[in-house]
Amino acid sequence: DAGVTQSPTHLIKTRGQQVTLRCSPKSGHDTVSWYQQALGQGPQFIFQYYEEEERQRGNFPDRFSGHQFPNYSSELNVNALLLGDSALYLCASSLKSQVRAFSAYEQYFGPGTRLTVT
Amino acid sequence: AQSVTQLDSQVPVFEEAPVELRCNYSSSVSVYLFWYVQYPNQGLQLLLKYLSGSTLVKGINGFEAEFNKSQTSFHLRKPSVHISDTAEYFCAVSQFAGGTSYGKLTFGQGTILTVHP
Repeated sequence: DAGVTQSPTHLIKTRGQQVTLRCSPKSGHDTVSWYQQALGQGPQFIFQYYEEEERQRGNFPDRFSGHQFPNYSSELNVNALLLGDSALYLCASSLKSQVRAFSAYEQYFGPGTRLTVT
Repeated sequence: AQSVTQLDSQVPVFEEAPVELRCNYSSSVSVYLFWYVQYPNQGLQLLLKYLSGSTLVKGINGFEAEFNKSQTSFHLRKPSVHISDTAEYFCAVSQFAGGTSYGKLTFGQGTILTVHP
């Protein structure tokens, strides 16, 4: 049973550049959430995708955008990178179609993508 | 809005000793509660969850937690720790939500558990 996978593992970018991070959800899952984890902090919710639409968004600027594909995989795009965007970006998947079932609230995380902005 | 406070940023303990990692939350509505563990340079692994039913929940690796609604707490415990339990532990909450949005996790700042031989 394939878990959540993310690519790339590490990434180094320069201020002002744009970056795309990718996520494949756990087999059978249909919902993807993205989190940013700065060094020494807990993860912060960026947004969530279901049925190829952004359903919920955290307190992040419009420079952060995403996409979900028909196969449920997802991308996170960050434009005009700032030094403060350096963090571990985590993708989590869950199964929403059983929204009334408790399993819908269980999120499984990938290993993350470490982004360094110089 | 919801928030999570982990009361200890670091907890050192000797091997085979018991440990408790404390978590308090604030929310205006009912929540579901989770503990995740993060080993160095890795993602988050779900340790245990409280969704409903018995307030004492058991998870993987011998961990357990108790939901106390009146004290809005969800403390994590293990009766005897091992060196391999050294990691960072995160408490998280998710508000119940209907419709098309749900499941946003709000995390605490994390507690680093260090188990010494």
